[in-house]
Amino acid sequence: DAKTTQPTSMDCAEGRAANLPCNHSTISGNEYVYWYRQIHSQGPQYIIHGLKNNETNEMASLIITEDRKSSTLILPHATLRDTAVYYCIVRVHNQGGKLIFGQGTELSVKP
Amino acid sequence: NAGVTQTPKFQVLKTGQSMTLQCAQDMNHEYMSWYRQDPGMGLRLIHYSVGAGITDQGEVPNGYNVSRSTTEDFPLRLLSAAPSQTSVYFCASSYGSNTEAFFGQGTRLTVV
Repeated sequence: DAKTTQPTSMDCAEGRAANLPCNHSTISGNEYVYWYRQIHSQGPQYIIHGLKNNETNEMASLIITEDRKSSTLILPHATLRDTAVYYCIVRVHNQGGKLIFGQGTELSVKP
Repeated sequence: NAGVTQTPKFQVLKTGQSMTLQCAQDMNHEYMSWYRQDPGMGLRLIHYSVGAGITDQGEVPNGYNVSRSTTEDFPLRLLSAAPSQTSVYFCASSYGSNTEAFFGQGTRLTVV
């Protein structure tokens, strides 16, 4: 299973963009990159996913490098409610599409 | 839609007791899975199912059993609880292997 590497923690000022990096150098060509977040030990919440093109939805943007070895999640205007642990996951689509969680990045949005 | 519903939300067990954690989804999802999360760590996969009648082991299956007799339900059984099984348990479901997975709100289990 492809592993991901993320910084342990990051800070961001409220209203500014939060850029969360992720390395996944062993990703296979047909594996997707998923991002989830977890607030206060609630159930993880889906944010976005992509294969090789950049993706955007109402929550965030996902930028994947051309070689697919790394990606960046962008929260364009971070709010205090975005304070959470963010998980970058390479999803194994056989074996039940299992999600392999790493340690994640603890993002603190500060006033 | 209620989404993914887990019961109970909290449970305290004595060592050696057995119990079943319930998970139900009303989205007609084929894929369901169970994870556990220990303090300060990410989630680890216990068991998963790709459809009714089909289950398989994840990363940490020892001490747990599952079955999938219907599309909607995926119960997790602890056969003989141990303190090492103290954790928060999350159930998840998705339509396919590469679609958004929805998580329940978790069951906090303490084994004393």
